[in-house]
Formats: sequence, C-alpha cells, structure tokens
Amino acid sequence: AQTVTQSQPEMSVQEAETVTLSCTYDTSESNYYLFWYKQPPSRQMILVIRQEAYKQQNATENRFSVNFQKAAKSFSLKISDSQLGDTAMYFCASKPRNAGGTSYGKLTFGQGTILTVHP
Amino acid sequence: GAVVSQHPSRVICKSGTSVKIECRSLDFQATTMFWYRQFPKQSLMLMATSNEGSKATYEQGVEKDKFLINHASLTLSTLTVTSAHPEDSSFYICSAGIIGATDTQYFGPGTRLTVL
Repeated sequence: AQTVTQSQPEMSVQEAETVTLSCTYDTSESNYYLFWYKQPPSRQMILVIRQEAYKQQNATENRFSVNFQKAAKSFSLKISDSQLGDTAMYFCASKPRNAGGTSYGKLTFGQGTILTVHP
Repeated sequence: GAVVSQHPSRVICKSGTSVKIECRSLDFQATTMFWYRQFPKQSLMLMATSNEGSKATYEQGVEKDKFLINHASLTLSTLTVTSAHPEDSSFYICSAGIIGATDTQYFGPGTRLTVL
C-alpha cells in the first residue's frame, strides 16, 4: 500500500523568488517512482518532474528540482525563479515500478498544494 | 508526443440520462488507461483501471454498474455514466500509460459533467 501526504494546502510566492513544496510518502514497494504533477486553472494535469527511487541523484527539469530523501521518505519540489504561469495546484504522487509486462500500477496522489505566484 | 484527448470537454444532461465520455491516446498505444474523478480543489480519486480487451478493475466503493468502462482498442477507452444523478456531477479525467516505456501516465484534459 502507498500513501502520499502534502501538508501544505496553500502556498504563495513572489514572482522570481524560490518556493519549496513538501511531500512525504510511505510505500511497501522496493522499487517505485515519484512524480510531481501540476494542474493549472485549465485543469489539465501536466507532468513536472519524475524521480526513480533507485537513483540517488535528484531529478532536475529547468527551474524545477527535487530533494529526494529516500530514508526519510521525503520528496520536495523546489521551483526557482517563480513565474506567474507556475500558479497551479501541485500534486505529489507515487507509483510502484512496473515489474514488466503490460500492466501498470496505480498512481497514489497527495492532497495537493495550491501555489499562487504574485507579481 | 504522448497526447491524450477526451471528448466531450463539457456536458450537461438531465437526471436519469446516460452520458458517454471518450478517452483517446492520439500518438501512442496504451494498454492501460485510468479513470479518475475530481471535486473542486481536491485530489484525484481513482475510479477504475482499464486494460485493453479485458474487464475494468474498479476501486472499492465505485459502482461498476453505474460507471461502465470499455477499453475496446489500444487507443480508446470509454466511461459511461448510467442513469446520471446530480451527485454524479464532477470532473472526470482519464490517463494512459505507454507500452514498453517508463511508468509515466499522461493525462487527458478532463470532462466536466453537470447533471441537472
């Protein structure tokens, strides 16, 4: 079983500043993936960043980076140089690694954090 | 690449009618598609997992006779809300996984259902 917890219902940041969104998780799986998804007002879910749990190196995608602490089961998202377009609801999610074949394990989402970027 | 579409984007129907929502993977084949329900400012709630050519697996508490799922091909899954009632009003989102690739799911733009 997997659980994902986002303890910050809402966050705000000034444009060009840096903000960190928190996420903790629990899983009984030995191999798994962690994700951050963004859902802007359009409600289209957009993949922000993906981390393979067996890789120690933190994933980075342009202004977005994660701090993955496997022992602490923590997976925070840092957004640098925040932009107005970053305003969205952000979801942390985990998923067991596909062991092979054609079936996919389920994504488990956190409660979400609403991020507002102010000009 | 990895585009998922949903149709319709919005639908309004009368109580007691049935509504079908289509989910298509436009540029890839997806053996597995997922259907979620989302209330405003809340997280996504998984309703069912749909595998091509087989029966869907429903999450606990989801009525399979109410929410009929068909996954007839590697690019199309449908969700039919039967005898819809106002409490079925919600935002429905599908996602699809790519065969043989990483475990990332790609999401459709969602369908807003309003039952009067």
